Amino acid sequence: GENVEQHPSTLSVQEGDSAVIKCTYSDSASNYFPWYKQELGKRPQLIIDIRSNVGEKKDQRIAVTLNKTAKHFSLHITETQPEDSAVYFCAAADSNYQLIWGAGTKLIIKP
Amino acid sequence: KAGVTQTPRYLIKTRGQQVTLSCSPISGHRSVSWYQQTPGQGLQFLFEYFSETQRNKGNFPGRFSGRQFSNSRSEMNVSTLELGDSALYLCASSLQSPYEQYFGPGTRLTVT
Repeated sequence: GENVEQHPSTLSVQEGDSAVIKCTYSDSASNYFPWYKQELGKRPQLIIDIRSNVGEKKDQRIAVTLNKTAKHFSLHITETQPEDSAVYFCAAADSNYQLIWGAGTKLIIKP
Repeated sequence: KAGVTQTPRYLIKTRGQQVTLSCSPISGHRSVSWYQQTPGQGLQFLFEYFSETQRNKGNFPGRFSGRQFSNSRSEMNVSTLELGDSALYLCASSLQSPYEQYFGPGTRLTVT
């Protein structure tokens, strides 16, 4: 079945710098890749997603890239701000349309 | 429109008891998924319901069950509670799983 690995588990960046979180998946049939942000004590919220017919998608300071050949996708956050501090989860939809989740990345923005 | 709601928000139970959690999806959403979240374990998929039918099930024991009503509200039941069942239980609704899932605030279950 599908397996999703996420790295790093913790990422600390200076405010204003960029952050990159990477995920790899195992099922070549996967075709939907969302990213969720979970602030401390709050519910996960979808921040961006990408489907397999697209290589890159941007939304203001956030972008996701997908490499289907290598079976990996990444979240890019530019000009990081304190409110970007959170745990970020990636996921991939398997052939049963079930989301398989990465273990999460704790992003720390240093002032 | 109103978001996903879950009741109760907090629950303390004793080992061996059973518990029922409730989830009300966003109006118009027919898919409801349930997840268990524990520190360091991320989100573990329990099951997904669509139009009152269970479409997917994760790797959890049979003590974990669920159902969905005709108004799309969903309930999750855990029988014979174990200490390891202590977790945050999240539900998420969408028009069509797995796309654009909206999460509820969760139910924090503590088993003593």
